[in-house]
Amino acid sequence: QKEVEQDPGPLSVPEGAIVSLNCTYSNSAFQYFMWYRQYSRKGPELLMYTYSSGNKEDGRFTAQVDKSSKYISLFIRDSQPSDSATYLCAMTAVRGSNYQLIWGAGTKLIIKP
Amino acid sequence: DGGITQSPKYLFRKEGQNVTLSCEQNLNHDAMYWYRQDPGQGLRLIYYSQIVNDFQKGDIAEGYSVSREKKESFPLTVTSAQKNPTAFYLCASSMVGLAGDQETQYFGPGTRLLVL
Repeated sequence: QKEVEQDPGPLSVPEGAIVSLNCTYSNSAFQYFMWYRQYSRKGPELLMYTYSSGNKEDGRFTAQVDKSSKYISLFIRDSQPSDSATYLCAMTAVRGSNYQLIWGAGTKLIIKP
Repeated sequence: DGGITQSPKYLFRKEGQNVTLSCEQNLNHDAMYWYRQDPGQGLRLIYYSQIVNDFQKGDIAEGYSVSREKKESFPLTVTSAQKNPTAFYLCASSMVGLAGDQETQYFGPGTRLLVL
């Protein structure tokens, strides 16, 4: 079983819709939670970064963490065609004396004009 | 501008050939990473380095080698022992610290490796 589960999609929604992207994880030791956006044939870029349970908002994006359920979400309001990309969740865990990022498989999002 | 550069953008490998992918960063980050990304899959860690002249194997190190002679540079060699090298290779860097936010990784644009 993977430590981080993420539905690969694709998820196709009409422009203007609210999008919900999700990851579940099995290791309660995960401490920091991130969402990256990756456009086709490009490197991922950091979108959101959270630590504690609850919501964090940045413009049209809201990241939500529920540590008791081991579940994180990214919401996109008023979705735009330019939001079409693959969204990857990532979490930090201590491995020995180092931190390591554990990645979800990524969800491909398509916003239809 | 600070950032991470990777070259080349596309690379073609012949059977039995070793090829080297370049990664350079000017962010003054201590840690650097190499990932492999296959279609429909997440990122898989090949090698990482927390400090110059030291590096650690990731989850899929077989068939790859790295060096870290300078803080700014972390080249990856795909050796002939890697039988399925066709993939998108991503280099990343981060600061090293005890606080998790310093582990936020910043990525280069990637190199796509194809086998002839």
